[in-house]
Amino acid sequence: KQEVTQIPAALSVPEGENLVLNCSFTDSAIYNLQWFRQDPGKGLTSLLLIQSSQREQTSGRLNASLDKSSGRSTLYIAASQPGDSATYLCAVPSGGYQKVTFGTGTKLQVIP
Amino acid sequence: DVKVTQSSRYLVKRTGEKVFLECVQDMDHENMFWYRQDPGLGLRLIYFSYDVKMKEKGDIPEGYSVSREKKERFSLILESASTNQTSMYLCASSYRLMSSSYNEQFFGPGTRLTVL
Repeated sequence: KQEVTQIPAALSVPEGENLVLNCSFTDSAIYNLQWFRQDPGKGLTSLLLIQSSQREQTSGRLNASLDKSSGRSTLYIAASQPGDSATYLCAVPSGGYQKVTFGTGTKLQVIP
Repeated sequence: DVKVTQSSRYLVKRTGEKVFLECVQDMDHENMFWYRQDPGLGLRLIYFSYDVKMKEKGDIPEGYSVSREKKERFSLILESASTNQTSMYLCASSYRLMSSSYNEQFFGPGTRLTVL
């Protein structure tokens, strides 16, 4: 059974800092992994889908990497802004057709 | 842009009522999903559908049923609502590609259901 851990559970940083969010998983037999952000009381917004063949995927100030061998993905946010404040979730395939296991998220607060 | 809409943002129902949650997507996606999200438990899959009239149980299907009569619409039904079904309900959709690997999911805004 796939187990997904996101550490830290919460993070508070001053505006402008670069930061890294972590996602660890136990079953490395995956093709890809998806990162989301969730604003309070809202749905999930897709940020990046990273394929195992890519190792890295970039969108604006966001960069996601995937290391299957170590069971880890990282989301790097450059030059953080107050608008980046949200909860960030990773979704990892967990066997069976289209099934994923979500991490419980990292709640990010960027202080102006 | 992919758009997934859900019929209500907030819903309050009484114990024992039959509750319908509707989800519509406009991207011709084959797959549709219903999740619930609870503090400390994260997102858990209730049911998903990979085609019209097809459904598969997720991790927590007890107390729920689903209906998919049209490709764009996926309904979640609580036959007799109970207080432990108070939660945030999220619908998602994705393409079904040839491979069995996970495909990017797109989520709706969520329905916050309170059962009194």
